[in-house]
Amino acid sequence: GQQLNQSPQSMFIQEGEDVSMNCTSSSIFNTWLWYKQDPGEGPVLLIALYKAGELTSNGRLTAQFGITRKDSFLNISASIPSDVGIYFCAGQNNYGQNFVFGPGTRLSVLP
Amino acid sequence: EAGVAQSPRYKIIEKRQSVAFWCNPISGHATLYWYQQILGQGPKLLIQFQNNGVVDDSQLPKDRFSAERLKGVDSTLKIQPAKLEDSAVYLCASSLRQGGGKLFFGSGTQLSVL
Repeated sequence: GQQLNQSPQSMFIQEGEDVSMNCTSSSIFNTWLWYKQDPGEGPVLLIALYKAGELTSNGRLTAQFGITRKDSFLNISASIPSDVGIYFCAGQNNYGQNFVFGPGTRLSVLP
Repeated sequence: EAGVAQSPRYKIIEKRQSVAFWCNPISGHATLYWYQQILGQGPKLLIQFQNNGVVDDSQLPKDRFSAERLKGVDSTLKIQPAKLEDSAVYLCASSLRQGGGKLFFGSGTQLSVL
């Protein structure tokens, strides 16, 4: 079945630093979604991408749909303590199938 | 706009007991998903509905799990009998349409099977 890989698995950064994480797949996807999940809560949608090469921002967050359609990237600028959480990517192929999720990147922000 | 509603938030049962989870999607969302999230992993699809029809239940353990969305709005997921390995968070999500849409999640039900 389809699988997504996320890297890094976890990261510790200083407050104010920029963060980059990515998501890769062996299959082509037509939609990429990025989520943040806090403990005890459901994932919250951050950014949605629908076209290869698309670059979309949401405040300090920027995500890109890779041109090969097999990867996506999420950047967070000037990190703050509330950025702590687990970031998931999800992909959907062109047949309208279910969204496949990656295993997540756990972000810790040190003051 | 109200989000995806789920209940209960927490449930503790003993193995071999049965349990049911309820979900009410965002108004107007035709597609409803149930995901299982085991600690430390990403959500894994159990079943996908389009209105009141099943689109994908290939990963649903049908010997013990069942789900329905009789009127095409709210949905119920049941486990009977529960096993220890069913301990997880059960997430409901909805989207406006099946392809190229945005997936919105509820807060989930945390299930502990003792």
